Amino acid sequence: DAGITQSPRYKITETGRQVTLMCHQTWSHSYMFWYRQDLGHGLRLIYYSAAADITDKGEVPDGYVVSRSKTENFPLTLESATRSQTSVYFCASSESRHQPQHFGDGTRLSIL
Amino acid sequence: AQSVAQPEDQVNVAEGNPLTVKCTYSVSGNPYLFWYVQYPNRGLQFLLKYITGDNLVKGSYGFEAEFNKSQTSFHLKKPSALVSDSALYFCAVRDIEGGSYIPTFGRGTSLIVHP
Repeated sequence: DAGITQSPRYKITETGRQVTLMCHQTWSHSYMFWYRQDLGHGLRLIYYSAAADITDKGEVPDGYVVSRSKTENFPLTLESATRSQTSVYFCASSESRHQPQHFGDGTRLSIL
Repeated sequence: AQSVAQPEDQVNVAEGNPLTVKCTYSVSGNPYLFWYVQYPNRGLQFLLKYITGDNLVKGSYGFEAEFNKSQTSFHLKKPSALVSDSALYFCAVRDIEGGSYIPTFGRGTSLIVHP
């Protein structure tokens, strides 16, 4: 099915572990984004990408790493998870600079 | 610099009544403006956008928004609310003349429609 898919939908892990959140879109959109959503903070941008092999830091990049070797995939890695990274993570894509973003349904990540 | 404000954390309205969710923005140049809706355990869904043209923009599910340049506002409206409209609503802005393509999102307004 066409769209943007995030996996897993739910994840529980422990502090210090590495965890990777996956994001896959079938539209071949150039632009992709990672946000975290927390009560009281709304959406905060972690990383974004304008094309394969081009990534940039957003508002809250510390503790996260991204890659984009293929246009359709944009994985987000927490290298050493901390409790403050417990959140709901959303991936989004857009066709161009002027088009709205399409969001996945999120990954709810709990770090114990 | 660009910013957006949603002054109400929560809006309550009775089913069948008109609803308004407020959004004000600040940009150096001209704005791109967007409204999104988020249902529980789902991602944000695009409702409508303003780039240029008519100040009244129509979108999905019967929603519309009015762009007011003098008041720097982009309020979301619907003539008759449904219980199923209950959700979290986000306004977003991007400065057309700005070098970045990243929009700024408001903190969201929870809309509760009472039967």
